[in-house]
Amino acid sequence: EAGVVQSPRYKIIEKKQPVAFWCNPISGHNTLYWYRQNLGQGPELLIRYENEEAVDDSQLPKDRFSAERLKGVDSTLKIQPAELGDSAVYLCASSSREGTSGGAAQETQYFGPGTRLLVL
Amino acid sequence: AQKVTQAQTEISVVEKEDVTLDCVYETRDTTYYLFWYKQPPSGELVFLIRRNSFDEQNEISGRYSWNFQKSTSSFNFTITASQVVDSAVYFCALSEANYGQNFVFGPGTRLSVLP
Repeated sequence: EAGVVQSPRYKIIEKKQPVAFWCNPISGHNTLYWYRQNLGQGPELLIRYENEEAVDDSQLPKDRFSAERLKGVDSTLKIQPAELGDSAVYLCASSSREGTSGGAAQETQYFGPGTRLLVL
Repeated sequence: AQKVTQAQTEISVVEKEDVTLDCVYETRDTTYYLFWYKQPPSGELVFLIRRNSFDEQNEISGRYSWNFQKSTSSFNFTITASQVVDSAVYFCALSEANYGQNFVFGPGTRLSVLP
């Protein structure tokens, strides 16, 4: 089974330029996540989709970041315009509900290889 | 609020030594899930284990074992007879059932296994 696919793997841009990242989740996974991982830190959630609906975008800097998942499958994350502080690895993950245990659903997130962004 | 602490920033061991990575969590929920992920130099986060708050049984998988103790809010990870290929950054993560499926990751522990 193919894992989460992300492209590009690396991107170098100058500040104020736009940039877009693409993610294709594991087939059948209805939940998709975008994370940002700064150097030496753990990933931080930017946005979570359930099918095509963004159910949590509270951590997404909406002045410059946008995301879409139009058909509930693949997704695009965009930054416009990019700033120096946006340099990070952008990770995509997907999950599906695996039944219940103790009355609550549990989901394991599977991650793609990430896109490493450098803003100069 | 959710919080995950991994107090060990970096650990170095010599091959074949055992090593334990610590994870301490904070949660206000009674139903939650704990995870460990491995991030090798290639960058991809690899899922290792999930444990729910109702199951305090320890688990062993090959050279890996996990010790979940609700009394101390800890979910520690031990690698027995470490190998060079175990060198990576290891992340502990917490997900609260009543707050969606959002993960909170710890800062990670960088493990270096020297030949």
